[in-house]
Amino acid sequence: NAGVTQTPKFQVLKTGQSMTLQCAQDMNHNSMYWYRQDPGMGLRLIYYSASEGTTDKGEVPNGYNVSRLNKREFSLRLESAAPSQTSVYFCASSTSGGAWRQYFGPGTRLTVT
Amino acid sequence: KQEVTQIPAALSVPEGENLVLNCSFTDSAIYNLQWFRQDPGKGLTSLLLIQSSQREQTSGRLNASLDKSSGRSTLYIAASQPGDSATYLCAVRKETSGSRLTFGEGTQLTVNP
Repeated sequence: NAGVTQTPKFQVLKTGQSMTLQCAQDMNHNSMYWYRQDPGMGLRLIYYSASEGTTDKGEVPNGYNVSRLNKREFSLRLESAAPSQTSVYFCASSTSGGAWRQYFGPGTRLTVT
Repeated sequence: KQEVTQIPAALSVPEGENLVLNCSFTDSAIYNLQWFRQDPGKGLTSLLLIQSSQREQTSGRLNASLDKSSGRSTLYIAASQPGDSATYLCAVRKETSGSRLTFGEGTQLTVNP
């Protein structure tokens, strides 16, 4: 059981470039999430998917798009990267209902120059 | 808007000491509260989850309490060890927010040998 996996682990982009962060979970969870973590700001929710086929905006969605490819995979796309998007990005998943305990991936450290 | 605050931001203690980390939240209408641990450069690991109807949860040397009416939770670590050094974050799930979590900024704990 790998849990939640993320690729890549590190990435450096130039302003204006695009990229997709990949996330997959093998726990058969319905819900998946993308967060960013910044010093002094804590973790903030970017987008989430309550179930396959649905996505909703979180606290800081501007500049990002997401795709819930299937039950296992949830990707985050930066169409035109900006230095303000330099951050550590975490993917998480949880069951729907019950305790809704969230399980996190190891993170992607992104630098935009 | 739910706000979550953790005090202190950093704490340094000698090995063997018992310690308490604090978490407060502004909106008492929560479904549950989770405590996470984050090691440097790593993802978050869920330590304890307390449902709103519960007063406390225990796991090994960790004990988390919840006082929903006053908007407070504490994480008690008994007989601290150098391996406990990490950042500890609390997160609340509001009753009305589905499965989304609101995080505090964390307490960075250092346990000195």
